[in-house]
Amino acid sequence: SQQGEEDPQALSIQEGENATMNCSYKTSINNLQWYRQNSGRGLVHLILIRSNEREKHSGRLRVTLDTSKKSSSLLITASRAADTASYFCATGGHPETSGSRLTFGEGTQLTVNP
Amino acid sequence: NAGVTQTPKFQVLKTGQSMTLQCAQDMNHNSMYWYRQDPGMGLRLIYYSASEGTTDKGEVPNGYNVSRLNKREFSLRLESAAPSQTSVYFCASSVHGGVSGANVLTFGAGSRLTVL
Repeated sequence: SQQGEEDPQALSIQEGENATMNCSYKTSINNLQWYRQNSGRGLVHLILIRSNEREKHSGRLRVTLDTSKKSSSLLITASRAADTASYFCATGGHPETSGSRLTFGEGTQLTVNP
Repeated sequence: NAGVTQTPKFQVLKTGQSMTLQCAQDMNHNSMYWYRQDPGMGLRLIYYSASEGTTDKGEVPNGYNVSRLNKREFSLRLESAAPSQTSVYFCASSVHGGVSGANVLTFGAGSRLTVL
């Protein structure tokens, strides 16, 4: 079964608005990552947050992590049409139990309308 | 920098045929992975190789075999293809492996496989 579950499954907004996507997971993690996938392409890494961190920023991206609720959110500010893509969260377990594997959620399809 | 290169990009097979998906990375990464992506299912790990000479099963290994040919190359073989293996396959690699902690994956562009 999938470790991460994204919410919502699909999100449609206007250019300039903020987009928020959420990810919930079930088991203890070492880190949580967000990836973007443009249509017909491979996934591209966006940002990583470790289990002892609560918030990270990268450009227009802000990621939060609440380990007590086993959830994370990705905020994209001032969205652009080029942000249209699917966004996936991926959880990394503790190395001694899950080695180098990442487990991906089902993704959120974001559409930014010009 | 080519990154992760997968071949072929598209393939159509008949049920029972065999084929090998090739993957090569030029980033000197230790770990390599094969995922499949199906609508509504996200990405599911088929097999991975934490380091050269080792391979391990992932979430959905049945019907597949892998070979870590050397540090650069990791191939995925379907011995007897079935319609349920129709999917988009992604190879990925990462710097760290084993007990090193966080692994950031670099993905290939994907291989779209249809089994009739």
